[in-house]
Amino acid sequence: DAGVIQSPRHEVTEMGQEVTLRCKPISGHDYLFWYRQTMMRGLELLIYFNNNVPIDDSGMPEDRFSAKMPNASFSTLKIQPSEPRDSAVYFCASSQEVVDEQYFGPGTRLTVT
Amino acid sequence: GIQVEQSPPDLILQEGANSTLRCNFSDSVNNLQWFHQNPWGQLINLFYIPSGTKQNGRLSATTVATERYSLLYISSSQTTDSGVYFCAVPPLASGYALNFGKGTSLLVTP
Repeated sequence: DAGVIQSPRHEVTEMGQEVTLRCKPISGHDYLFWYRQTMMRGLELLIYFNNNVPIDDSGMPEDRFSAKMPNASFSTLKIQPSEPRDSAVYFCASSQEVVDEQYFGPGTRLTVT
Repeated sequence: GIQVEQSPPDLILQEGANSTLRCNFSDSVNNLQWFHQNPWGQLINLFYIPSGTKQNGRLSATTVATERYSLLYISSSQTTDSGVYFCAVPPLASGYALNFGKGTSLLVTP
């Protein structure tokens, strides 16, 4: 079975532009998580979904960030407008249960200039 | 939230050496994961180990939940073991998020 798939792997954009990151979880996994990794803050949870429904978005930094999960096999994380401080690696992860092993995708390295 | 402390922060080994990485956490947990982040940035699952001991090849892990720590053993280290090792735990009360430690950065030299 394929693991968690993320696209694009790298994204370079200019400040003010809209950025959309995509994730396909492992088939059969009911939980999907978005994390962000920065040098300053390490790895931190942004939002998670259960059966396509957002459960907790308290980690989303501000209104410029939004996430959707229109179906069980696809999720997006959108930043509009993007700012240089959004530069980070964004990981998507999935698990079968909430208290269960999480599997991470390869990440999207975002650079906002 | 739950605090996760890893030690040592940095480690340099010569190929073939053994090492022990430690993870302390500040509250009860119902699971724990160890990850290896390789030099390309990928997070690779090593162990899902809420308690007890598991082994996978040259790696093994032990979690003593009652004493709030976990250990990762690397034996006969290889250059491909280089990278950052993370311990991650969800708090028991809200088991969804993974709180990551700051990691142990390991460099294995030939």
